[in-house]
Amino acid sequence: DVKVTQSSRYLVKRTGEKVFLECVQDMDHENMFWYRQDPGLGLRLIYFSYDVKMKEKGDIPEGYSVSREKKERFSLILESASTNQTSMYLCASSSQGASSYEQYFGPGTRLTVT
Amino acid sequence: RKEVEQDPGPFNVPEGATVAFNCTYSNSASQSFFWYRQDCRKEPKLLMSVYSSGNEDGRFTAQLNRASQYISLLIRDSKLSDSATYLCVVTPNQAGTALIFGKGTTLSVSS
Repeated sequence: DVKVTQSSRYLVKRTGEKVFLECVQDMDHENMFWYRQDPGLGLRLIYFSYDVKMKEKGDIPEGYSVSREKKERFSLILESASTNQTSMYLCASSSQGASSYEQYFGPGTRLTVT
Repeated sequence: RKEVEQDPGPFNVPEGATVAFNCTYSNSASQSFFWYRQDCRKEPKLLMSVYSSGNEDGRFTAQLNRASQYISLLIRDSKLSDSATYLCVVTPNQAGTALIFGKGTTLSVSS
């Protein structure tokens, strides 16, 4: 079974703090994604990566950065957390090629910024 | 511009009912189409792909109408365990790596 794990299920941070969200997948997938999910807004893509050290902006990259130093790990960084970044953050991975449409999601990290 | 639109619901139906959801997409060049399911407080998971010829998986039937740019999901003989949010998903290009998710339609099945 594909497994995508995220470092924390719940996180509370203060405004201005630097926040790291970690995601690890164990299926040797090339593609990895970070989304945030908010009520009424659905899933919104923040950043994605096709390969190690590669990154592409999604729909809402402002205020975020990412790092992919190893194939299995994709980190989301909030340089200076703000209250409007309070959200559920979901990481996903997929293979390339014909099965790339099947994204496997982690359990999510619910981040609260106070 | 909303790329993928769904009626958010909620759809409240009794067990055994048949229920259908529709989804429209704006990009006529979209390549592939899927339904994902998300249970309350859980992550989304792939439910089924949607083919031009239509496809069926047990009680679930998915249809695609390219001319009208809409996708449908039909659930027959609804079960309590079908209660979830159903996400319509579209790929904008051949590679299919960057999926576009609809906001979801919530279904609640009651006994």
